[in-house]
Amino acid sequence: AQTVTQSQPEMSVQEAETVTLSCTYDTSESDYYLFWYKQPPSRQMILVIRQEAYKQQNATENRFSVNFQKAAKSFSLKISDSQLGDAAMYFCAYRRFTGNQFYFGTGTSLTVIP
Amino acid sequence: NAGVTQTPKFQVLKTGQSMTLQCAQDMNHNSMYWYRQDPGMGLRLIYYSASEGTTDKGEVPNGYNVSRLNKREFSLRLESAAPSQTSVYFCASSGETQYFGPGTRLLVL
Repeated sequence: AQTVTQSQPEMSVQEAETVTLSCTYDTSESDYYLFWYKQPPSRQMILVIRQEAYKQQNATENRFSVNFQKAAKSFSLKISDSQLGDAAMYFCAYRRFTGNQFYFGTGTSLTVIP
Repeated sequence: NAGVTQTPKFQVLKTGQSMTLQCAQDMNHNSMYWYRQDPGMGLRLIYYSASEGTTDKGEVPNGYNVSRLNKREFSLRLESAAPSQTSVYFCASSGETQYFGPGTRLLVL
């Protein structure tokens, strides 16, 4: 089975500052997808960003960007200009290119300090 | 375009009662999933369905049954609820990307 590891159970950041959440994964595949999901207190799971492993360019969505290091099997999420609404649990996830199952990390709880 | 919808949003059961959680998606996805999330924990896969007419066990299938009624709908049934099944249940569907419903909070007394 694939494993996804988020080594930071909790993180905090000052409003307007930048924070990076870490994620590593284990796979023998060369093609796959990686995702970051946000779960605010409402519990709704919201897709933040997606990366295809075959793309060398790091994905970016507004203030959210990733640092995808394929050889190191690392997929970190950078949140710039942090806002109070960014406070949430963040989950990293992996999916094989030809598979159906998604594998999730245990999450990182992000607190934004006003 | 509602995405993934789940009913009910909240349910209280007594031990031994049965219930069915309903899920529907309008994104024409082949794959659908049921997860549970316990306090302070991540998601655990209960069952998934790769396509209409097929279902497979996930990590924690005991005590649950599923039905893939058609391409849109995937239900989760608890035949005899136990307090250990108190949790938040998420339905999801996927093409390349997985999308989630709003969740069902279930309390078993």
